Amino acid sequence: GQQVMQIPQYQHVQEGEDFTTYCNSSTTLSNIQWYKQRPGGHPVFLIQLVKSGEVKKQKRLTFQFGEAKKNSSLHITATQTTDVGTYFCAGPQRGANSKLTFGKGITLSVRP
Amino acid sequence: DTGVSQNPRHKITKRGQNVTFRCDPISEHNRLYWYRQTLGQGPEFLTYFQNEAQLEKSRLLSDRFSAERPKGSFSTLEIQRTEQGDSAMYLCASSLVNSEAFFGQGTRLTVV
Repeated sequence: GQQVMQIPQYQHVQEGEDFTTYCNSSTTLSNIQWYKQRPGGHPVFLIQLVKSGEVKKQKRLTFQFGEAKKNSSLHITATQTTDVGTYFCAGPQRGANSKLTFGKGITLSVRP
Repeated sequence: DTGVSQNPRHKITKRGQNVTFRCDPISEHNRLYWYRQTLGQGPEFLTYFQNEAQLEKSRLLSDRFSAERPKGSFSTLEIQRTEQGDSAMYLCASSLVNSEAFFGQGTRLTVV
């Protein structure tokens, strides 16, 4: 079936290390969105990518949309303890106006 | 507060009872989603509306679950004859078409 996949599900890093995670869709996406959920909180929108190969930065976070619009990456430079949480990617898998399908997320822990 | 509002925040119910949750979306948003989230998992799609029309319902959802959005504004999610496996966080989100989703803080259901 149509899926948005994020592997692995957990990653532990030392504070100051860089971190990269990937998201893969079984179908081409018109856009991809990233969300962050802090422990005990709800998902909060971070960014949306629309164009093939698009790169967007938010401070230490860099998001990229793949050329084929089926995958995306999130890179965090010099992780901090405030980066702790679960990062989800999501996209409309059956055309631009279809529902958002979420990946299972990657939970990042940062050792101080 | 102009965000997405969900009530109640917590619900404890006995197995076999019916429960109803309410979601008030951001007023100008025409899309409204219901997701279910269990510990360590991503938001699992349940159903979504565009205005008052229910566009899709997850095939994983049993007939015990029903949702309405009668005037295209607030929505309710009802679970009949609750089971212990229904225990989860129920998240509501709203958006414009093809735009980012804004989540409420969720309703945590515990079935005892």
